[in-house]
Amino acid sequence: EDQVTQSPEALRLQEGESSSLNCSYTVSGLRGLFWYRQDPGKGPEFLFTLYSAGEEKEKERLKATLTKKESFLHITAPKPEDSATYLCAVQAGTYKYIFGTGTRLKVLA
Amino acid sequence: EAGVVQSPRYKIIEKKQPVAFWCNPISGHNTLYWYRQNLGQGPELLIRYENEEAVDDSQLPKDRFSAERLKGVDSTLKIQPAELGDSAVYLCASSFHGTGEKNTEAFFGQGTRLTVV
Repeated sequence: EDQVTQSPEALRLQEGESSSLNCSYTVSGLRGLFWYRQDPGKGPEFLFTLYSAGEEKEKERLKATLTKKESFLHITAPKPEDSATYLCAVQAGTYKYIFGTGTRLKVLA
Repeated sequence: EAGVVQSPRYKIIEKKQPVAFWCNPISGHNTLYWYRQNLGQGPELLIRYENEEAVDDSQLPKDRFSAERLKGVDSTLKIQPAELGDSAVYLCASSFHGTGEKNTEAFFGQGTRLTVV
């Protein structure tokens, strides 16, 4: 069965304290792995797509990496405005997105 | 460019009443998704359309939920009758994909927060 697990469930960081979020997955026929950001009361906002192991994508303070079993979202020197829930999703052969439960990130000033 | 538009943003209804949600996807997107998101959880797929055809509705509770996508553009999701456990955020998303092309990401609307009392 296709499955996505994210850890930790919640993370509190001081401003400037770098860290990583993990997304491990089990899926047959991975088409892509996606990272989204979700603010309270809003829909998920697309961040990155990764297609193959070894691929990396960067955007401002965020960097996403992919291996054959997991993906990491690295946050470098985070700011309070980076506080949000970060969702990971995989897309298998049917173009269906399977989401993890997310990591709630809180960055303290 | 306009994103995915959903309405209403909020809905409060009594149990056993019907409710409907509307979604207008991004222009040109051939794939439309309806997701349900419970508090503290990730979105769960209810139904996926390719153009006007429902290609994955295995998670849709068909005894009370129905959906349609007329002319392969706008879509409506209906619940009749609603139950207390249906309280959640209902998200619509759209994407484009074609033969031989890479995946395109799904773009989400703001969601409809349903409260059943």
